[in-house]
Amino acid sequence: DTEVTQTPKHLVMGMTNKKSLKCEQHMGHRAMYWYKQKAKKPPELMFVYSYEKLSINESVPSRFSPECPNSSLLNLHLHALQPEDSALYLCASSRPGQGYGYTFGSGTRLTVV
Amino acid sequence: KQEVTQIPAALSVPEGENLVLNCSFTDSAIYNLQWFRQDPGKGLTSLLLIQSSQREQTSGRLNASLDKSSGRSTLYIAASQPGDSATYLCAVGSGYSTLTFGKGTMLLVSP
Repeated sequence: DTEVTQTPKHLVMGMTNKKSLKCEQHMGHRAMYWYKQKAKKPPELMFVYSYEKLSINESVPSRFSPECPNSSLLNLHLHALQPEDSALYLCASSRPGQGYGYTFGSGTRLTVV
Repeated sequence: KQEVTQIPAALSVPEGENLVLNCSFTDSAIYNLQWFRQDPGKGLTSLLLIQSSQREQTSGRLNASLDKSSGRSTLYIAASQPGDSATYLCAVGSGYSTLTFGKGTMLLVSP
């Protein structure tokens, strides 16, 4: 299995809702990432988990809450989002450390209304 | 801080042309460089990964080169096809689990 699977593919949520994005990989990668991508922009790093521990938080607002329950799963919990948070959310995985390639999922298209 | 620049920002070519996409980076202390393809609204598909010790990688009609000392990489696409139309992103690995992206080249190949 050489894929990163993200669910759901599309999500529309109100500003008072709570929702979660899910990411799963079975490649044995011990580093997992959340990226946010706005239209016509490159992906921006949000969080890095290495060996199931949060190692990088790029000053992301607390309305985004990551969770890594095990070495194959990565969740992103969403609460009280703003319309400007609408974007494509990408999950990726790699071996931890330097020099390893990344595998990205197909993304979740999030719209906040 | 690593900065990655991709030129051109957009490119339109007729089918069958050979083309070159350029990527430059400011800090030559990199571990690897990865080229991705992204279709509109979709995720990133890895095309080629070049380690810092390598000069080039090939996959089918794609060839990527790396000149670490000058901070440059090129992606060569041979005999372009309409199905190659997408945005191509260059990303540099230069830290622990850190990837820096360029802004991409939007490619349109017309039949």
